[in-house]
Amino acid sequence: NAGVTQTPKFQVLKTGQSMTLQCAQDMNHEYMSWYRQDPGMGLRLIHYSVGAGITDQGEVPNGYNVSRSTTEDFPLRLLSAAPSQTSVYFCASSSTSRGSNTEAFFGQGTRLTVV
Amino acid sequence: KQEVTQIPAALSVPEGENLVLNCSFTDSAIYNLQWFRQDPGKGLTSLLLIQSSQREQTSGRLNASLDKSSGRSTLYIAASQPGDSATYLCAVTGGYNKLIFGAGTRLAVHP
Repeated sequence: NAGVTQTPKFQVLKTGQSMTLQCAQDMNHEYMSWYRQDPGMGLRLIHYSVGAGITDQGEVPNGYNVSRSTTEDFPLRLLSAAPSQTSVYFCASSSTSRGSNTEAFFGQGTRLTVV
Repeated sequence: KQEVTQIPAALSVPEGENLVLNCSFTDSAIYNLQWFRQDPGKGLTSLLLIQSSQREQTSGRLNASLDKSSGRSTLYIAASQPGDSATYLCAVTGGYNKLIFGAGTRLAVHP
């Protein structure tokens, strides 16, 4: 049972560099989302997707891009890394069942440092 | 705008105590509420999911209640153990399964 898989686990970037955080789920969930976790602030929503080809912005989308070409994958792109993007990033997936939302499953996180 | 608050921010208890973690939210128009556990440096593990039409859910030593009208949820942990030490996060779900989190309660259970 892979669940939600995120890669890489750790990454150090220089200011201005770009990179893609990978997220894949094998549960055929239609909903996927990206959150960042900063000390004392809880998790905040960056972008989310309700299905292949459909994405939208969350609370803190600036500096990030997403796309969803398949149900399984939802990569997060940092266009030009800034020190303010130093954080732990989590990908989550969930679904609906008989009209109710199911529990959300999270990946193990990517710890990103921008220097 | 939905806001979620968790009290207390940190809690230290001796092993064996029963304890209650609190979560409050400002907008009662939620789809469900979920409690998570997070160990240091790890991801989130779902503990309990309460649909908006439900009042409580139980799993082993854990019991979570939901009062939508007052915007409150509690997580009750019975007979706490050192292995329960972790951060506990509460999140409410809005449209499209978007989660809004509280900042968490850091729990330490000492032998």
